[in-house]
Amino acid sequence: KAGVTQTPRYLIKTRGQQVTLSCSPISGHRSVSWYQQTPGQGLQFLFEYFSETQRNKGNFPGRFSGRQFSNSRSEMNVSTLELGDSALYLCASSLAGLSGNTIYFGEGSWLTVV
Amino acid sequence: DQQVKQNSPSLSVQEGRISILNCDYTNSMFDYFLWYKKYPAEGPTFLISISSIKDKNEDGRFTVFLNKSAKHLSLHIVPSQPGDSAVYFCAASPYGGSQGNLIFGKGTKLSVKP
Repeated sequence: KAGVTQTPRYLIKTRGQQVTLSCSPISGHRSVSWYQQTPGQGLQFLFEYFSETQRNKGNFPGRFSGRQFSNSRSEMNVSTLELGDSALYLCASSLAGLSGNTIYFGEGSWLTVV
Repeated sequence: DQQVKQNSPSLSVQEGRISILNCDYTNSMFDYFLWYKKYPAEGPTFLISISSIKDKNEDGRFTVFLNKSAKHLSLHIVPSQPGDSAVYFCAASPYGGSQGNLIFGKGTKLSVKP
């Protein structure tokens, strides 16, 4: 069974540009969540999508957005990139809807903003 | 305000001995807890979880203990192996694990010396 797949793995962008990251969840998983990991702030929740709807949202500015498609695949977008957006962006998926779910993470997308 | 705290940034243990990683939380709404292991440049790997209706869960060398009155949980690894050297994250959910919104601690770096 394939795990959570994220693309691209590494990318470099310039300040002011925008970026789109992609995530394919584990087959059958309907919930996709996104997290940002930085050395100073640790792992922080960005948002969660379930059945193409944003179900939960963390405390990030509106420059961070996402969407989920009917096949549960998800994308997140960061517009007007800032140097502080340099981070590891992690996608996670789970069956959701059930208590005691395990949430599985992908390998992450390393974003460097210069 | 950090809702999940791992107060020890690092821990060093001899191979074969017990490793005990601690985690404290402040939000009494948290009812599901997970431990993840993370190597540099990789996504977190799920280790073990526990629901608030239990006080102990065991899986092989890994045991998680939950003390709800103290809002404290701990992960025991017995016996510790050099391959266990990694950063360990404690995470909490207020939804019984049915949604993908996790609050993470900042991690404890475990070093297991041969």
